[in-house]
Amino acid sequence: AQSVSQHNHHVILSEAASLELGCNYSYGGTVNLFWYVQYPGQHLQLLLKYFSGDPLVKGIKGFEAEFIKSKFSFNLRKPSVQWSDTAEYFCAVSMYSSASKIIFGSGTRLSIRP
Amino acid sequence: GAGVSQSPRYKVAKRGQDVALRCDPISGHVSLFWYQQALGQGPEFLTYFQNEAQLDKSGLPSDRFFAERPEGSVSTLKIQRTQQEDSAVYLCASSQDRTDTQYFGPGTRLTVL
Repeated sequence: AQSVSQHNHHVILSEAASLELGCNYSYGGTVNLFWYVQYPGQHLQLLLKYFSGDPLVKGIKGFEAEFIKSKFSFNLRKPSVQWSDTAEYFCAVSMYSSASKIIFGSGTRLSIRP
Repeated sequence: GAGVSQSPRYKVAKRGQDVALRCDPISGHVSLFWYQQALGQGPEFLTYFQNEAQLDKSGLPSDRFFAERPEGSVSTLKIQRTQQEDSAVYLCASSQDRTDTQYFGPGTRLTVL
């Protein structure tokens, strides 16, 4: 079965530190890839997505992610985090053949020390 | 504009009771999705509607779970004879088309005692 792995359950950083959250998926076919974020007390919202084209995707609030097909990875990065980035981050994938069904990872909780 | 809304936001049920959870998608969105999110986990797909047609219900965990969208707008997720393992946040999402960005509602937190 298809799955998404997020290796870090809880990451704690200081402000201005660089961030990289790992995400790997298991599926050999064409995929669409997503990062969703849930700020405290708010809805899940889309941070960025990859459907095709340039494997380096830029999203909102200075986040970016790189799709590396050979490694089945879609890691999220930000060069300098802010306290307001404190949130839960979910990596997700949908199969091109079944684009309606999104499979989520278990999430990474990011805590930023002011 | 208005986003996806869900009601109730919180529901406490005694084991064995039936519950109904409502989702109001963004106006004009053709596709509607239900997810279940257990504590400490990511959302898990339950079912998908294109207008009023339920095109994928492969994620529904048992025949106690039933979803409908009779007029292609509002959707209801019904859980019959609730069990403790049904306790979770139930999320609804909608999109303009099945491949478009899904916008999520705030969820309904169901607690089964």
